[in-house]
Amino acid sequence: DTGVSQDPRHKITKRGQNVTFRCDPISEHNRLYWYRQTLGQGPEFLTYFQNEAQLEKSRLLSDRFSAERPKGSFSTLEIQRTEQGDSAMYLCASQGRAGNEKLFFGSGTQLSVL
Amino acid sequence: AQRVTQPEKLLSVFKGAPVELKCNYSYSGSPELFWYVQYSRQRLQLLLRHISRESIKGFTADLNKGETSFHLKKPFAQEEDSAMYYCALDNYGQNFVFGPGTRLSVLP
Repeated sequence: DTGVSQDPRHKITKRGQNVTFRCDPISEHNRLYWYRQTLGQGPEFLTYFQNEAQLEKSRLLSDRFSAERPKGSFSTLEIQRTEQGDSAMYLCASQGRAGNEKLFFGSGTQLSVL
Repeated sequence: AQRVTQPEKLLSVFKGAPVELKCNYSYSGSPELFWYVQYSRQRLQLLLRHISRESIKGFTADLNKGETSFHLKKPFAQEEDSAMYYCALDNYGQNFVFGPGTRLSVLP
């Protein structure tokens, strides 16, 4: 499968624990995005990378959230001290060189915080 | 602030009937707009974008800057069109702003 892959597909954790998600984009894509989606809502932008540089971060993003893309390939999203409100689908998408090219989405990681 | 609204959470039509999914936006400048679709148990994928001026699976969308709208239309709905549809706006090449989505249900 040469599409965007995300791991794990599902994560159940207890409040206060840290969680980390991984995204592997399409190999030649240099842009990578993280979105969050809750029930009944559209995807909400969290952050994006151009190669290894994190170029934008949503003002809504708590400082408990951190993302990396160390070698400009895969990316990780970490949530520290999880809260019940963090329960959501976390989507990764990659994009080719131009800003207006289409996004290719992964299947997402469903996080449930108990 | 850049924003996309989709007023209908759910739209039900009968097979063969015309369908129109509404999308309105707020944006300063020349907007780049897209429709994304998510079929059951599949990932979100691009349906069409206004810059291409193309028809995909019989769907078309016209950008109306005066009404700040980008409604998605199809003259004859098919059962396989049942899905979640999201209108999205390219936010100055930095990220995409998505609407809340409309669930289209095409009844037999």
